[in-house]
Amino acid sequence: DAGITQSPRYKITETGRQVTLMCHQTWSHSYMFWYRQDLGHGLRLIYYSAAADITDKGEVPDGYVVSRSKTENFPLTLESATRSQTSVYFCASTEGQGFDLYFGPGTRLTVT
Amino acid sequence: GEDVEQSLFLSVREGDSSVINCTYTDSSSTYLYWYKQEPGAGLQLLTYIFSNMDMKQDQRLTVLLNKKDKHLSLRIADTQTGDSAIYFCAESMGNTGKLIFGQGTTLQVKP
Repeated sequence: DAGITQSPRYKITETGRQVTLMCHQTWSHSYMFWYRQDLGHGLRLIYYSAAADITDKGEVPDGYVVSRSKTENFPLTLESATRSQTSVYFCASTEGQGFDLYFGPGTRLTVT
Repeated sequence: GEDVEQSLFLSVREGDSSVINCTYTDSSSTYLYWYKQEPGAGLQLLTYIFSNMDMKQDQRLTVLLNKKDKHLSLRIADTQTGDSAIYFCAESMGNTGKLIFGQGTTLQVKP
């Protein structure tokens, strides 16, 4: 199916563990993004990527690592999860400014 | 820095008009957007306006842009219970497709 998918949809992990959230889009969009959504903060940009092998930090990058070896995939890794990283994570993609930004369904991550 | 502000909550009666307001800071933003998020779902693009426009109408939705005051509003005519959701305002940053979002306004529609 065409679109943007995220996995897992729900994840519970312990403090200190490494966690990777997956994002896959089928449109070959150039730009991909990771946002986190927290009550009272709306969506905050963690990292974004303009193309394969090109990534850049957003507003809240600390504690996260991204890679983009293929255009269609943009995994987000929490190197050592902390409770403050409990959140809903959204991946998004677009062809560029003026084009629609499409969101995945989100991953709800709980760090205990 | 970049900042987008919205009121957090709005309650209206079914059939009334809803007006959701937003202020932004980057006068160079080329596009301004409204997104809708239903419970448990991702964000869905509702509409957008190009910065050289003052108004855009799309069926029940009207977007007004006041560039001088950096104020954006979304009016929903004849609000229905299915319009209950969180509405996010967003501004574009540069030509990267990157968007800066407001905190979201929860719209509650009472029957």
